Amino acid sequence: ETGVTQTPRHLVMGMTNKKSLKCEQHLGHNAMYWYKQSAKKPLELMFVYSLEERVENNSVPSRFSPECPNSSHLFLHLHTLQPEDSALYLCASSQGYGDTGELFFGEGSRLTVL
Amino acid sequence: GQNIDQPTEMTATEGAIVQINCTYQTSGFNGLFWYQQHAGEAPTFLSYNVLDGLEEKGRFSSFLSRSKGYSYLLLKELQMKDSASYLCAVRDSNYQLIWGAGTKLIIKP
Repeated sequence: ETGVTQTPRHLVMGMTNKKSLKCEQHLGHNAMYWYKQSAKKPLELMFVYSLEERVENNSVPSRFSPECPNSSHLFLHLHTLQPEDSALYLCASSQGYGDTGELFFGEGSRLTVL
Repeated sequence: GQNIDQPTEMTATEGAIVQINCTYQTSGFNGLFWYQQHAGEAPTFLSYNVLDGLEEKGRFSSFLSRSKGYSYLLLKELQMKDSASYLCAVRDSNYQLIWGAGTKLIIKP
């Protein structure tokens, strides 16, 4: 299995739907991240969890709700999204939060909001 | 504010050399990363520079000048598979990663 796995790879939802994105890492890392990637824009950090505790929430609308049940799994619950939320959502992990090690990314979940 | 600048798109020829520049203005500096991202795939780590100078890793090299707020990624002997986006990111004094928008590199035969 690859280091960081995301499901689903593609998701189309209406503005009133509720869906969830899932991320699993098999690297034994202690920190996990959600990023939003829009075309021709820098990666936007959404949430960071370190040892299952949320350490950062970068002014993300409440229609995005993260959950980290253990150090290997991370979810992003989606509710009442807007068309401008259509983007690639990337999950990443690192050995520790704030250290100098690199991030390991999943292949992303491509979200389209109609 | 904090800012990372890199060209939006570059084109190069197979077998040639290309240099992708990255300039940054950040609150402090704790290292600079380069990542490669093929279309539809995960970004993957290429290099990390924290001291001035050139780091060489096979066909890829990365250079850093902290006094100039400048880095470049040098790709030699270009191959078609090098067609991808290249992301520059700087870790600031709070260990936050500041990302550039990426440079899309197109390799032509």
